[in-house]
Parts: sequence; structure tokens; C-alpha cells
Amino acid sequence: NAGVTQTPKFQVLKTGQSMTLQCAQDMNHEYMSWYRQDPGMGLRLIHYSVGAGITDQGEVPNGYNVSRSTTEDFPLRLLSAAPSQTSVYFCASTQGTGELFFGEGSRLTVL
Amino acid sequence: GQQVMQIPQYQHVQEGEDFTTYCNSSTTLSNIQWYKQRPGGHPVFLIQLVKSGEVKKQKRLTFQFGEAKKNSSLHITATQTTDVGTYFCAGPAGNQFYFGTGTSLTVIP
Repeated sequence: NAGVTQTPKFQVLKTGQSMTLQCAQDMNHEYMSWYRQDPGMGLRLIHYSVGAGITDQGEVPNGYNVSRSTTEDFPLRLLSAAPSQTSVYFCASTQGTGELFFGEGSRLTVL
Repeated sequence: GQQVMQIPQYQHVQEGEDFTTYCNSSTTLSNIQWYKQRPGGHPVFLIQLVKSGEVKKQKRLTFQFGEAKKNSSLHITATQTTDVGTYFCAGPAGNQFYFGTGTSLTVIP
């Protein structure tokens, strides 16, 4: 009964490095999304997907790429990390506009 | 674009006191959801309200959706230390969910 699984839980990068945050769900949800959480700013949507092969931008997409080759997986790529991308990242999935199921989060620090 | 504001940003209460957080959207919402995030944890779904003027209760928690479907509130009666955390409202607009900025609740024993 895994739900939404995110890896890694913690990561430290140097400016300019690239990395991928992994997200997988086993609930057969069509909708998957990535949020970043910064103090005092709530959860801001980065990218989302309504199904395999379909992705779209949210409120703060710059500096991030996504792909959705399968229903289960929705990786988030940072192409060239910047200190402004230091944040906690959450992946979430749902079916329709119902309850969002969140992963445990990935805490990223960019030096 | 869509904006969801939430007040207050922080609230400190003595254990046993009541607590209320308010959520206001710039546009009409099809539904409103509430989430709780414990310190160091991830947001966990509490409830969804769909109908105009709807009121739902979960033990000491009362959720209300405004008549115009643009605002909502969460009221906790007689807070306990287990209520500590940040409470978020969220509303869908198209294929996007917009979250409020959250209210961080501290309960002083």
C-alpha cells in the first residue's frame, strides 16, 4: 500500500548541477503534479500531468522539466540548479478533482 | 490569475481555546479542500466541500463553504496539542489546484 513514493528524501546540489526527483504512484491516478513549498508561500504548482504523454506548466515552471511516459511515474528534472530552487518538493496525485495524495517530500538544498 | 489567500498566517493558542482559519479565493471554486501538514510532514487531506453554504463536521473540526463558493473556513473547538500543524485550503481551477498560504497553528499546553 505504497501510495505516492518520492526519492530522494534529501539532496544537496551545487549551483549548475542537474538532477531528477522521482515520483511514482500505485493508485492508477491519471493526474500527477509537482509542488514546491517555501516558508510563507504555501504550495506552488510547478508542473502537472493529466495522463501519460500529457504535461503542462503550473505557476512556477521555470528551471524545471517533466515527462510522463507511464501512468505511474512523473519525474521532475532540474536542468541547472540555482540557489532559488532550494525548497521542499512534493509530488501529488489524484483521480479527477478529488483528494490529492502527497508523497513524503524531497528536501533540496542548492549551494 | 487564480489567487487563494488564507488568514491568519500564524496562530498561537492555549490548549482548550478555539481556532479558526479563513480562506478566500479570487474566483468561484467548484469545490474546496482542506489539508493538514504536521511539522516535517506532508499535507494530508482532511475534507472536501462541494455545495454552496455546505457545513461539515469532523469531531472538533467544523468546515464551511461560503454561499458564493469563494470562501471557506475551518474552526477547531477546544484545541489539543495534536492539532499542531499547518492547515491549507485548496481549490481546483481547470486542471490546477491552487493552495492557500496556510495557517500555522501552535498549541501551548
